[in-house]
Formats: sequence, C-alpha cells, structure tokens
Amino acid sequence: DIQMTQSPSSLSASVGDRVTITCRASQSISSYLNWYQQKPGKAPKLLIYAASSLQSGVPSRFSGSGSGTDFTLTISSLQPEDFATYYCQQSYTTPPTFGQGTRLEIK
Amino acid sequence: QVQLVESGGGVVQPGGSLRLSCAASGFTFSSYGMHWVRQAPGKGLEWVAFIRYDGSNKYYADSVKGRFTISRDNSKNTLYLQMNSLRAEDTAVYYCAKDRYEYSSSYAFDIWGQGTMVTVSS
Repeated sequence: DIQMTQSPSSLSASVGDRVTITCRASQSISSYLNWYQQKPGKAPKLLIYAASSLQSGVPSRFSGSGSGTDFTLTISSLQPEDFATYYCQQSYTTPPTFGQGTRLEIK
Repeated sequence: QVQLVESGGGVVQPGGSLRLSCAASGFTFSSYGMHWVRQAPGKGLEWVAFIRYDGSNKYYADSVKGRFTISRDNSKNTLYLQMNSLRAEDTAVYYCAKDRYEYSSSYAFDIWGQGTMVTVSS
C-alpha cells in the first residue's frame, strides 16, 4: 500500500495567517492527490482534487500544488471557520490511503 | 440537494453481524461508484470498500476482505455494507461516500453521509 505522510501533525495559527500543509507519498502518485477538511463530529469535505483543482463551492483561499511524491495545501488567509483537521488522500491505486491528518488550531 | 444518509449502526458483540444502509438522493445514484470509509474513535480515515456504478466490480481493504460485503440496489437508490465476524477493531464511524466521476472509479470522494457509529464490544 502507498503510505501518505503529512506534516506537521498539528499547527497553531492566527486568523489572517498563510498556512501550508505538506503531504508526501511513499511512491510517485502523479497528480492523484485529494485534500479533505474535517470538523469535529462532522463528515470530511472534499476541498481539492487532482492535486490542484478546487472543488465546487470551496473558497478560493484554498489551493493545492505538487505532483509525484510531494504535495502542499495552502490556505492564503485563515478564516475562523478553517480551524479543522485536514487529510490528504491518494487516489492513484487501490487501496486509496489517507495521511494521518493535520490538526489546525487557533493560536 | 445531494444527500447521503446512513443507518444501521449500533452495538454488537464480537463475532456478530450488522448491515449498514446508505440512502442517496439528489443525484443519479445508478451513475456513480460508491464507497464506504470508516474512522475509529480519535483516529484517521480508512477506506473500506468500493462498488462500481452498476455493481459489476467490488473492491475491499485487506482488513475487511472476506468479512464485509458491499452491495447496492439502484432501484432503491441505496448502498449497503454487510459486516460479519465483527471484531473490536471494526469499531468506528462508518461513512458512505460518492465517487466524484460518473461511470468511473476515481477514488475521490465528493459527497459524504453524516456517518453511523458501529461499536463492537461484549
């Protein structure tokens, strides 16, 4: 199985900050990388698919980049509603696998 | 609106069985592959199973292969997960999720249900 490793595991930031979360795959996955946001007690929400495509309805402050093994999720200006846990997920091969999550907390 | 609603979770003893359902609405269910994804308490996300839009192919995580069965009834817009020989490590919130692309298996999950809790305990 392809292992997905996110860094950092947790992050404290302030409203208005620019934040970057990194995801690394154990082998090349081309651009088959998706990002999800999950708030406590809620289902995950798709933010970015195919590494850099913004899902419909997701604010443009979210962006994704990368290919091969290294990927990033960037939030350009943090809003109060962005404090959540973020997961990357590879969709290159079965089984699809997720990173361990990055918990974004308010500083 | 596009919606997935799971049901059927509960408390079951080790070795027992449970069947989860996921009712879909707001989209053409029969055109999309569907998944089950689970999340153990305080843990990350784990993909469980996938079924093609027409039910012709099914794939499972190694951790559930031989014990769980995914199925669908396109006439009822409903997805199922039959879980047998349940273990303590199967305790989790189970989500159904829609594949992002029609007639495909992209393994990108664009719509999720609210989840149903399964607890395996004696």
